[in-house]
Amino acid sequence: DAGVTQSPTHLIKTRGQHVTLRCSPISGHKSVSWYQQVLGQGPQFIFQYYEKEERGRGNFPDRFSARQFPNYSSELNVNALLLGDSALYLCASSLGGESDRRTSRYGYTFGSGTRLTVV
Amino acid sequence: GQSLEQPSEVTAVEGAIVQINCTYQTSGFYGLSWYQQHDGGAPTFLSYNALDGLEETGRFSSFLSRSDSYGYLLLQELQMKDSASYFCAVERDDKIIFGKGTRLHILP
Repeated sequence: DAGVTQSPTHLIKTRGQHVTLRCSPISGHKSVSWYQQVLGQGPQFIFQYYEKEERGRGNFPDRFSARQFPNYSSELNVNALLLGDSALYLCASSLGGESDRRTSRYGYTFGSGTRLTVV
Repeated sequence: GQSLEQPSEVTAVEGAIVQINCTYQTSGFYGLSWYQQHDGGAPTFLSYNALDGLEETGRFSSFLSRSDSYGYLLLQELQMKDSASYFCAVERDDKIIFGKGTRLHILP
């Protein structure tokens, strides 16, 4: 079975530009979440989606947005890029989310991430 | 606020046992999870404690005490491949909060 796939793997953008990152969850996983990770830190929660609806949002500015499609894949969009947005962006998928909103009990499967560099 | 505190680094010897602690200042969370991340890799799920007590999965065990706001990950029979960063995490209000991670160094 394919794991969580993310594209692109690496990306270089200029300040002020826009970026779209993509994620395909494990088959059967309906919950997708996005994280930002800078070197030496833990993943910072950005969004969680379930059945195309936003379930949770972290402390990120409105420049960050996301959506989930009917096939459960997801996109993370970042507008007006800043140098500080340079990081590894991780997507994770999980079981659960229907009657039980507690997806963490099933564990999150992470993709390999997209390394975004803003110059 | 909501925060998870972990030691930044821990060093142990191959074959030994090591404990990585996680203390938290948040309440009302669903459970405590642990993840392993090798350099350049993605985090991988290790364990989840929904209730107080010890959960064992092979060489790894995880413990939670809600009354003490404390949990730990116990790694036994350490192998060089266990050299990695370890993160505790909780889920609360549809948000997932990770600690800053503990870098585990293993000496031969």
